[in-house]
Amino acid sequence: DTEVTQTPKHLVMGMTNKKSLKCEQHMGHRAMYWYKQKAKKPPELMFVYSYEKLSINESVPSRFSPECPNSSLLNLHLHALQPEDSALYLCASSQDSRFRTEAFFGQGTRLTVV
Amino acid sequence: QKEVEQNSGPLSVPEGAIASLNCTYSDRGSQSFFWYRQYSGKSPELIMFIYSNGDKEDGRFTAQLNKASQYVSLLIRDSQPSDSATYLCAVNRAQSGYSTLTFGKGTMLLVSP
Repeated sequence: DTEVTQTPKHLVMGMTNKKSLKCEQHMGHRAMYWYKQKAKKPPELMFVYSYEKLSINESVPSRFSPECPNSSLLNLHLHALQPEDSALYLCASSQDSRFRTEAFFGQGTRLTVV
Repeated sequence: QKEVEQNSGPLSVPEGAIASLNCTYSDRGSQSFFWYRQYSGKSPELIMFIYSNGDKEDGRFTAQLNKASQYVSLLIRDSQPSDSATYLCAVNRAQSGYSTLTFGKGTMLLVSP
């Protein structure tokens, strides 16, 4: 089973809204990631969690706030976003973040900020 | 700047032919190499990974790695129209003691019936 589940699949939010993206995996992976992908561009890394601790923040604006409640769950809290933040947000997981780094992606959340 | 380079394509091949996708990378310290397939509007799907020089085969897919030349390729034998997608090459990068993926811009493959 290489399934990473993301909810919701689609999200439309206003610039004053607060919303959260959710990600879940039950593969026993200890590294989880958030990526952002704009149209016709490759995925860009936002955050890395390793063993439930935030390990890497790629200078992401504070309007994006990640959270890892446990080893299976990863959230991305959104607040005061801009229209240019509209993108496909991808969650991924891998066995660990140092050696077995084959990353499996969820189906993504298509976010539109209006 | 650590980079991963791919020809954006499109690469057009007829059904049944071999499709050859190429990728070069600049970081000599990279140890892990990945190929993802991404259909339009969908998320990337891992199809191959390779860690050692040489060839690795999985069904119709063969990944080839040459670390001396900093080159990794993906061969798809007996190409099918369902293989039409964008293929992303990804290379690991050591960052703050962790390993993260740097993606190329992807090569669009079109397989015609």
